[in-house]
Amino acid sequence: EAQVTQNPRYLITVTGKKLTVTCSQNMNHEYMSWYRQDPGLGLRQIYYSMNVEVTDKGDVPEGYKVSRKEKRNFPLILESPSPNQTSLYFCASSITGSTDTQYFGPGTRLTVL
Amino acid sequence: GESVGLHLPTLSVQEGDNSIINCAYSNSASDYFIWYKQESGKGPQFIIDIRSNMDKRQGQRVTVLLNKTVNHLSLQIAATQPGDSAVYFCAETQPNNDMRFGAGTRLTVKP
Repeated sequence: EAQVTQNPRYLITVTGKKLTVTCSQNMNHEYMSWYRQDPGLGLRQIYYSMNVEVTDKGDVPEGYKVSRKEKRNFPLILESPSPNQTSLYFCASSITGSTDTQYFGPGTRLTVL
Repeated sequence: GESVGLHLPTLSVQEGDNSIINCAYSNSASDYFIWYKQESGKGPQFIIDIRSNMDKRQGQRVTVLLNKTVNHLSLQIAATQPGDSAVYFCAETQPNNDMRFGAGTRLTVKP
């Protein structure tokens, strides 16, 4: 089944404790992206990757890092999480970019205390 | 920055009725638009898309209308069913390939 998977689905952590949210897609898509979704706001892009070893900042990259060592994986790293990073995070992938249909993962709900 | 459809309105319809969900997009030069459905606890799911060289596109029970004159996009759902209950939001791809998402509209279908 073609899908985007994320882990963990739920995470409660404390300020400053490094964490990684994994994202994997099995559709051989070149483009992958991370978004955060906050109440009353649309999805906001954190980082995206056009291909392996190519990553770029989105609209809200501060406090986040990503890597794209393999085509299928695009982990999101919070080196020192803060309470304002409490949010619902979605990973997405598409064949070539934002002009293609993006397929979203199930989401990761992160709470930073 | 600019946003698509900032507010999160709600729409309640009776099962079997038609639903119309609206979206005002921000950039008149945007050339690709998508409607997504997001059910509770799940990621957004593609419903239908339309490019700026079209003003209407139909899918199964859904129709997207694009009015470029007033930067307006709408999603029409025919014979709405309880399974259609979700948040629906639009997205626009701007000329620089940035994608902007609306906050969405919550559709509730009453049996």
